[in-house]
Amino acid sequence: DTEVTQTPKHLVMGMTNKKSLKCEQHMGHRAMYWYKQKAKKPPELMFVYSYEKLSINESVPSRFSPECPNSSLLNLHLHALQPEDSALYLCASSQDRGGGNYGYTFGSGTRLTVV
Amino acid sequence: GQSLEQPSEVTAVEGAIVQINCTYQTSGFYGLSWYQQHDGGAPTFLSYNALDGLEETGRFSSFLSRSDSYGYLLLQELQMKDSASYFCAVLNRDDKIIFGKGTRLHILP
Repeated sequence: DTEVTQTPKHLVMGMTNKKSLKCEQHMGHRAMYWYKQKAKKPPELMFVYSYEKLSINESVPSRFSPECPNSSLLNLHLHALQPEDSALYLCASSQDRGGGNYGYTFGSGTRLTVV
Repeated sequence: GQSLEQPSEVTAVEGAIVQINCTYQTSGFYGLSWYQQHDGGAPTFLSYNALDGLEETGRFSSFLSRSDSYGYLLLQELQMKDSASYFCAVLNRDDKIIFGKGTRLHILP
């Protein structure tokens, strides 16, 4: 299995809702990431998990809360989001932090719309 | 701080060769990666250069000059399916990959 699977593919939520994005990989990768991507912009790093521990938080607002229940799963819990948070949320994984010669494997993303 | 510069758009003809340049400024540089992203799709890893020189993978090659803080992606025998956005990305000493703004490649038949 050489994929990163993200669910759901699309999500529409109100500003008072609580929802979660899920990401799963079975490649034995020890690092997992959340990126946010707006249309026609590059991916922006949000969080890095290494060996199931949060190692980097790029000053992301607390309405985004990451969780890594085990080495294969990564969640992003969403609460009280704003319309400007609407974007494509990408999960990625790599053998080790940084990716190196093998780079990151990205999931196909969750397209989030906040109304 | 850190920054990456790459052209916003490049146009080339099917079957031709195109080069996408990337210059970067960062502290603690480890390496330069390239990713391809089709509209509506996920970024896909293409190559990684940590040392100076040219790396070749099929129709794609990537070059790095650490002394010039410069790299490029070379695409040969262009095909229509190569129409996509291409991002250079720097890996720094914090083990973070930071993406450039991307180059939109248009291929004409």
